[in-house]
Amino acid sequence: NAGVTQTPKFRVLKTGQSMTLLCAQDMNHEYMYWYRQDPGMGLRLIHYSVGEGTTAKGEVPDGYNVSRLKKQNFLLGLESAAPSQTSVYFCASSPGVELFFGEGSRLTVL
Amino acid sequence: AQKITQTQPGMFVQEKEAVTLDCTYDTSDQSYGLFWYKQPSSGEMIFLIYQGSYDEQNATEGRYSLNFQKARKSANLVISASQLGDSAMYFCAMREVSYGGSQGNLIFGKGTKLSVKP
Repeated sequence: NAGVTQTPKFRVLKTGQSMTLLCAQDMNHEYMYWYRQDPGMGLRLIHYSVGEGTTAKGEVPDGYNVSRLKKQNFLLGLESAAPSQTSVYFCASSPGVELFFGEGSRLTVL
Repeated sequence: AQKITQTQPGMFVQEKEAVTLDCTYDTSDQSYGLFWYKQPSSGEMIFLIYQGSYDEQNATEGRYSLNFQKARKSANLVISASQLGDSAMYFCAMREVSYGGSQGNLIFGKGTKLSVKP
């Protein structure tokens, strides 16, 4: 009964390094999302996908790329990390109405 | 553009009392959904309650109810009989639904931190 799983849970990067966050869901949901959460800002949508092979930009897409090669996986990439990308990242999936969230991934960029 | 406003950054409530968390929204669409999520200090996002814009009755889920006033564009969360475990951040969110039934993106407010006092 995994639901939505994010890896890694924690990561510390140096400015300029790259990394990928993996989101996996086992509920056969079409929709998947990546949000970031910063203090006092709530959750802001980075990128989303409405199905395998599709991706689209959300509210704050700059500095991030995504891929949805398989229906169950949604990858978030940082090509050249910046301190402004220090945040908690949440992945979510949805069959259409309610969103199911992962536990979050805390990323620190030094 | 859709927008969610939560005007209470923080609130206190005495244990066993009821509390209302405010949420107003702005949308030009007729079809949309309203959500409340709870985020305890452990960080996970927990779905609490959902209200569709065409639902005639206010949604209820156990101790949670959503006071939906469509004309005022408000969707306040009411928690009855507060418990210490209700201390958390609460987020109001909205997503629009297109004519074809396609769901728009979920947009969140900035949240309200609720503290329950013993």
